[in-house]
Amino acid sequence: DIQMTQSPSSLSASVGDSVTITCQASRDIGHHLNWYQQKAGKAPQVLIYDVFKVQTGVPSRFVGSGYGTEFTVTINNLQPEDIATYFCQQYESLPITFGQGTKLEIK
Amino acid sequence: QMQLRESGSGLVKPSQTLSLTCAVSGGSIASSSSWSWVRQAPGKGLEWIGYVYQSGTTDYNPSLKSRVSLSLDKSRNQFFLKLTSLTAADTAIYYCVRSPRTAVEKAIDRFDPWGQGLLVTVSS
Repeated sequence: DIQMTQSPSSLSASVGDSVTITCQASRDIGHHLNWYQQKAGKAPQVLIYDVFKVQTGVPSRFVGSGYGTEFTVTINNLQPEDIATYFCQQYESLPITFGQGTKLEIK
Repeated sequence: QMQLRESGSGLVKPSQTLSLTCAVSGGSIASSSSWSWVRQAPGKGLEWIGYVYQSGTTDYNPSLKSRVSLSLDKSRNQFFLKLTSLTAADTAIYYCVRSPRTAVEKAIDRFDPWGQGLLVTVSS
């Protein structure tokens, strides 16, 4: 199985800040990487797919990058509605695996 | 807009079998998409359980393979999960999800949309 390791596991930032979450794959997954946002009590929703493609309806403040084994999602101009847990997911090979999640809080 | 909705028993006794249904609306289960189940134990991360394709092709997470079975019914536009020999470790929110397979060489790409989720508790 491909292991996905996210860092940090939690972070706190202020409105207007930029924050970056990192996801590392245990082996090369090319561009086969997606990011999800999960708000409290809700199902996850796809934010970014194929590393950098922003899902329809998602603000352009969310920016994905990376290739191979190292990936990041940056949230620019942090807003209160961005409070959530973020997960990465690889689809290079089965079984599909997710990162353990990064919980984002607003100071 | 496509919507998925899970249904089934929310409370199951240990050693029994969990049976869940996902009803798909706003799109056909007979499309080129694949259909998966993902679960999330309370306060934990996400675990992919397996997928089924319109042809009936399936694949499962090796961690659950001996206990899980997925199927679908194109006439009812539904797909199904059966998980046997339940223990407390199977307590989780179970989500049904679609993978649009934009990258057709992959059985699964992104998961979109997700059902609202169904909490399943395994307890006597």
